[in-house]
Amino acid sequence: EAQVTQNPRYLITVTGKKLTVTCSQNMNHEYMSWYRQDPGLGLRQIYYSMNVEVTDKGDVPEGYKVSRKEKRNFPLILESPSPNQTSLYFCASSLQGGSYEQYFGPGTRLTVT
Amino acid sequence: QKEVEQNSGPLSVPEGAIASLNCTYSDRVSQSFFWYRQYSGKSPELIMSIYSNGDKEDGRFTAQLNKASQYVSLLIRDSQPSDSATYLCAVNKAGGYQKVTFGTGTKLQVIP
Repeated sequence: EAQVTQNPRYLITVTGKKLTVTCSQNMNHEYMSWYRQDPGLGLRQIYYSMNVEVTDKGDVPEGYKVSRKEKRNFPLILESPSPNQTSLYFCASSLQGGSYEQYFGPGTRLTVT
Repeated sequence: QKEVEQNSGPLSVPEGAIASLNCTYSDRVSQSFFWYRQYSGKSPELIMSIYSNGDKEDGRFTAQLNKASQYVSLLIRDSQPSDSATYLCAVNKAGGYQKVTFGTGTKLQVIP
C-alpha cells in the first residue's frame, strides 16, 4: 500500500530534550516536506526536500532541522524543543516537487512542557 | 496581506445544495493550485488540482481558477453530510519555487 508513515504518532516531552520524528514514504517520491498545523494558523511549511541531500527552508524553519540521506526518509529533528513547538506535525511527499499533489502522513501530535 | 486567504467559516449548507468555497492568493506568479479536504483529527487529502484558467470537474467537485483576479474556488454539488470537513486551499509559485503555502481552511457543515 502506497503511504507516508510517521512515528511517533503522539509525543509528550520536556523543554530542551532533543527529539526526532521520523517520516518514511514508499512511493519513490522525490519531494518530501514537513508542516506544522496550529489552530487559526493553518498548515505552515517547515522544511522541504527536493531529493537526497537537497533541503530548503519553508516558512517556519526556526528551531527545526532536517536531513535527507535516503530518498524514502525525511526525519524532523528538534534539538532543543520549546513549548511554542507544541503542535500537530505532518510529513508529506509528492512525485517531483511543490507543483504536484502531496500525500500526507497521519500526523504527530507533539506536546512540549 | 496573507499569501493565501480563505474565509474560516463555518459555511453551513443544507444537504443536496451547492457549497461554494473560495480562496484568494497574493502572488501573481502562482501556477499550481490545490484543494485538500481534512476531516477532524485526520490528515489532509487531495480533492482537486488545477493549473489553468477555467473550470475543472471531477464528479461532484468543480475547481475554478481565475488568474487575473487571483482567486480559486471549489464547488461541491449535491452536498452530503460526509462532505462536512475543513477545506484547505494550497498554492505553489512558478519559477522553480518548491514552497507550498496553505490557507487556514474553510470549515464546511452540511446539514441533513
